[in-house]
Amino acid sequence: DVKVTQSSRYLVKRTGEKVFLECVQDMDHENMFWYRQDPGLGLRLIYFSYDVKMKEKGDIPEGYSVSREKKERFSLILESASTNQTSMYLCASCPPTRAYNEQFFGPGTRLTVL
Amino acid sequence: QQPVQSPQAVILREGEDAVINCSSSKALYSVHWYRQKHGEAPVFLMILLKGGEQKGHEKISASFNEKKQQSSLYLTASQLSYSGTYFCGTEVGGYQKVTFGIGTKLQVIP
Repeated sequence: DVKVTQSSRYLVKRTGEKVFLECVQDMDHENMFWYRQDPGLGLRLIYFSYDVKMKEKGDIPEGYSVSREKKERFSLILESASTNQTSMYLCASCPPTRAYNEQFFGPGTRLTVL
Repeated sequence: QQPVQSPQAVILREGEDAVINCSSSKALYSVHWYRQKHGEAPVFLMILLKGGEQKGHEKISASFNEKKQQSSLYLTASQLSYSGTYFCGTEVGGYQKVTFGIGTKLQVIP
């Protein structure tokens, strides 16, 4: 059974704190993604990675960075959290073949920045 | 640029049909459809590739008009379990980067 796990379901941080969101997949997928989901805005891509140590900006990368040191793990970093980064964060992974690139999502982390 | 989905919300009675539309202003490699139930992660339904290849769900079908950059998801004989928010995602470039729309909230009532 395929699995994408995220380190926390709920997280509360203070403005200015450095925040790490962790995502691990056990499917040996090359591609991994970080999205944020907000009411009325849908799923918006923050960053993605198609290989270890590789990363590409998504549609809303400002205020975020990522790290991928191992194939199974993709971390999202908020260098200095702000209240407008309060959101649901979803991680996903998929294999590299376009015809079979169903994205598998993790359960999400609901981050609140006070 | 996010694809445009319509309608934004729809309420159906069990057994009724629905169509959800997705359009983009850019040439597309593929269109993806996902469903998200309340409090859960999005789940894959369907992928439609440029050139006509399709992989998806048994009871849900979709079309992809490459010339118009439009896709439609067809839900027939709806069941209560179809309730949720449906997202279309469009792939323009490589690396399977998918841009999702804001979603269509579908509610099926008895």
